[in-house]
Amino acid sequence: GAGVSQSPSNKVTEKGKDVELRCDPISGHTALYWYRQSLGQGLEFLIYFQGNSAPDKSGLPSDRFSAERTGGSVSTLTIQRTQQEDSAVYLCASSADNIQYFGAGTRLSVL
Amino acid sequence: GENVEQHPSTLSVQEGDSAVIKCTYSDSASNYFPWYKQELGKRPQLIIDIRSNVGEKKDQRIAVTLNKTAKHFSLHITETQPEDSAVYFCAASHNNDMRFGAGTRLTVKP
Repeated sequence: GAGVSQSPSNKVTEKGKDVELRCDPISGHTALYWYRQSLGQGLEFLIYFQGNSAPDKSGLPSDRFSAERTGGSVSTLTIQRTQQEDSAVYLCASSADNIQYFGAGTRLSVL
Repeated sequence: GENVEQHPSTLSVQEGDSAVIKCTYSDSASNYFPWYKQELGKRPQLIIDIRSNVGEKKDQRIAVTLNKTAKHFSLHITETQPEDSAVYFCAASHNNDMRFGAGTRLTVKP
């Protein structure tokens, strides 16, 4: 596709439920990132995939958060047993030659 | 790992004035320094970047300077306009491993 695609654009869930957020990076981009952005706040790094290397998971806030990248392309961020403090916009970016291109994000609301 | 600090966190200027945002980084191996602009409710967009083999880069009203010795870089916006109002993020990267600053909320008052 022409850009980074994220789905869904909005997700409302109940506390305690699991959610999956999807990111389709730009074709050919070997690097993929997930960030969390709370209202009016900065970009909180979550996880980084680079090619076939082991992902950098140092930003994941708890063991309820996990992410996969299958076949070096599509990535899924999973949040288990969601809590209200998980409510935020989750942004995905893919990169070639260091330049990151962001998706439009998934706005997650945990009620 | 890389640590990027950004100042100020908020900046308010009068239309037509200049705005300067500063960032420092910790990893001397970082060699790519982009700046992103994020308007309210939108995704971050790259506005300008600089690589470590140059000290300054300019694109119309926007310029970025880099001091590798001191490990700091700055964004300069001249003749600010109300549409420049946004949150600006700096970042430092090495081999695609990028870390962002906390952001600066710029408000340009007409």
